[in-house]
Amino acid sequence: GENVEQHPSTLSVQEGDSAVIKCTYSDSASNYFPWYKQELGKRPQLIIDIRSNVGEKKDQRIAVTLNKTAKHFSLHITETQPEDSAVYFCAGGGYNKLIFGAGTRLAVHP
Amino acid sequence: ETGVTQTPRHLVMGMTNKKSLKCEQHLGHNAMYWYKQSAKKPLELMFVYSLEERVENNSVPSRFSPECPNSSHLFLHLHTLQPEDSALYLCASTLKSSSGGAGEQFFGPGTRLTVL
Repeated sequence: GENVEQHPSTLSVQEGDSAVIKCTYSDSASNYFPWYKQELGKRPQLIIDIRSNVGEKKDQRIAVTLNKTAKHFSLHITETQPEDSAVYFCAGGGYNKLIFGAGTRLAVHP
Repeated sequence: ETGVTQTPRHLVMGMTNKKSLKCEQHLGHNAMYWYKQSAKKPLELMFVYSLEERVENNSVPSRFSPECPNSSHLFLHLHTLQPEDSALYLCASTLKSSSGGAGEQFFGPGTRLTVL
């Protein structure tokens, strides 16, 4: 069936370093790839998304890349800060549904 | 944030109880979703109501029954649940056109459900 795999499951970095989270998807019909951030006890919130007609998108310290041929996409966070600590979920999907990855717990140490 | 609200925020129920979760969105969206979030597992899509069409996940047990009376309200009726159904249940909504693709989903705060 359709699935999205996400790696790593946990990631620990020093403040100021970069963090990279990678996802692969199986459904070649997927055309929308959002990334959500979920802080402890809070709801998931969209931080960036990309559509299949674009290879890369950047928003300040956050960037996402998409390789449709290889069916993988990545989240890049530069100059990490302690407030970036959270669980990050990738997702892939199309018209009616999104399939989420298992999440990456990012810890940024001062 | 008040765009998507859920009640109750916490619920403890026995296996023989019947309860309902409620979700309401104030964003003018036309698609709503129920997700289950368990520890160490991906967000699992349970049900979708999109442009008044219900799309089901066939792996969801029949003890979960959704209801969408209008585009702003979504319910999840629960009966004879099992302890393994304990989880955070998240509602989400989005604005979708009849020909457009997926878009940002806005999540509610969730209902933390414990089944004893």
